[in-house]
Amino acid sequence: DQQVKQNSPSLSVQEGRISILNCDYTNSMFDYFLWYKKYPAEGPTFLISISSIKDKNEDGRFTVFLNKSAKHLSLHIVPSQPGDSAVYFCAASDSGTYKYIFGTGTRLKVLA
Amino acid sequence: KAGVTQTPRYLIKTRGQQVTLSCSPISGHRSVSWYQQTPGQGLQFLFEYFSETQRNKGNFPGRFSGRQFSNSRSEMNVSTLELGDSALYLCASRPTSAYEQYFGPGTRLTVT
Repeated sequence: DQQVKQNSPSLSVQEGRISILNCDYTNSMFDYFLWYKKYPAEGPTFLISISSIKDKNEDGRFTVFLNKSAKHLSLHIVPSQPGDSAVYFCAASDSGTYKYIFGTGTRLKVLA
Repeated sequence: KAGVTQTPRYLIKTRGQQVTLSCSPISGHRSVSWYQQTPGQGLQFLFEYFSETQRNKGNFPGRFSGRQFSNSRSEMNVSTLELGDSALYLCASRPTSAYEQYFGPGTRLTVT
């Protein structure tokens, strides 16, 4: 049972436009969510996170939105840059356990 | 600070053998988690160690085991290797009171 789902395996966006990556979860106990970026031959790098007490968190070009009623979160990258081309993973945790469940990833390609 | 290091980076083993992977966390981080990444499956949680104790465990068979030493370094062992164990094994460390994990570059294990 995949508790965290990223239904889009890939996404292509023009440089300068907005990239929107989506993530859905099923476990209502999850209360902390994170996004990671992964380049080939490297480990994932932490990007941004959000607690369930918030519905938005912003850090520079990256904004994460959380819709608890829909059990849905999204990562917005504005403006998108070619260096953003990577695989993006969302992860969810029940804060009492610090056990993280990851999605299967979305490969973002930003076209110059 | 130095990042999370994993050794070896690449490993080729034969079915039936066993393997030990090593992870050195960021200095001061007492939590170390291990993940298996295979194509299409995202990152699958193996286990988490904190202060030499296993705190969380994923849904993997008993052939997968780990331990953590007093200096927070961790090892993961896989016995009786199967072809399906071929994967990228990632280690991540985390500060005690934070949610963000910091990943190493991974060990690419190939079982032939």
